[in-house]
Amino acid sequence: DAEITQSPRHKITETGRQVTLACHQTWNHNNMFWYRQDLGHGLRLIHYSYGVQDTNKGEVSDGYSVSRSNTEDLPLTLESAASSQTSVYFCASSDLGGLAANEQFFGPGTRLTVL
Amino acid sequence: DAKTTQPPSMDCAEGRAANLPCNHSTISGNEYVYWYRQIHSQGPQYIIHGLKNNETNEMASLIITEDRKSSTLILPHATLRDTAVYYCIGAREGGYQKVTFGTGTKLQVIP
Repeated sequence: DAEITQSPRHKITETGRQVTLACHQTWNHNNMFWYRQDLGHGLRLIHYSYGVQDTNKGEVSDGYSVSRSNTEDLPLTLESAASSQTSVYFCASSDLGGLAANEQFFGPGTRLTVL
Repeated sequence: DAKTTQPPSMDCAEGRAANLPCNHSTISGNEYVYWYRQIHSQGPQYIIHGLKNNETNEMASLIITEDRKSSTLILPHATLRDTAVYYCIGAREGGYQKVTFGTGTKLQVIP
C-alpha cells in the first residue's frame, strides 16, 4: 500500500547542531508539506513543494530549509537547531491539483527535542 | 484562505451524533470547506469537504448553510475512537494556498 513515512520518529539533539528530518511518500504525489505542531498553536506550515526543484516558504520558515530532488522525498533541515524548534514535525503530501490538492495525507510525525 | 472559528472543546455521549460547528463568515465564493481530524499523537486525517451542497461519505456528513458562513460536521454515531481534535479549513481549488489549520475543536466522546 502507498504510504508516507517519517524518520526518525524521535530525535534529541543539541543547540547549534544541524538536523535533517526525512519524509518519504510512495503515492507519487507532486505536493509535499512540512508542518510543526506546538501546544496552543495548532499546525503551522514551514515549507512546501509543488514538485521536483520547487520549494516555497510557509509561515514559520526561519531556521529551516528543504530541497526536492525527486518526487518521493522532501527532507527538512534545521541549519542550527535552537530550543525554540523543539516540536512535533509532520510531513504531508497531496495530489497534483484541483480539489485533490487540499486532501493532504500526513505522516506519523517526528518528535524533536533540542537541548 | 478563510478565517475559521471553532469552539475549543465539546463532549458527546458514545452512540449519539456529534455535531461540530464551524464559523467561516469570511469565506469567499470559490473556497471549499474542508474538515480534518487528529487523533492523539497521530498525523491529521482528511474527513470531508464541500462547497455549498451538503456532503456525506463513510466517515461523516457536512452541512453548509445557504449563506456559506457556517457549517456543521456530523458524526452520526460517535464512538470512543472518534475522540480527536477536529479542524475546519477554508481552501480554494487548484493547489495549496497556505491553508491554516488553527487550533480546532477537541471532541471528547464519553462512554
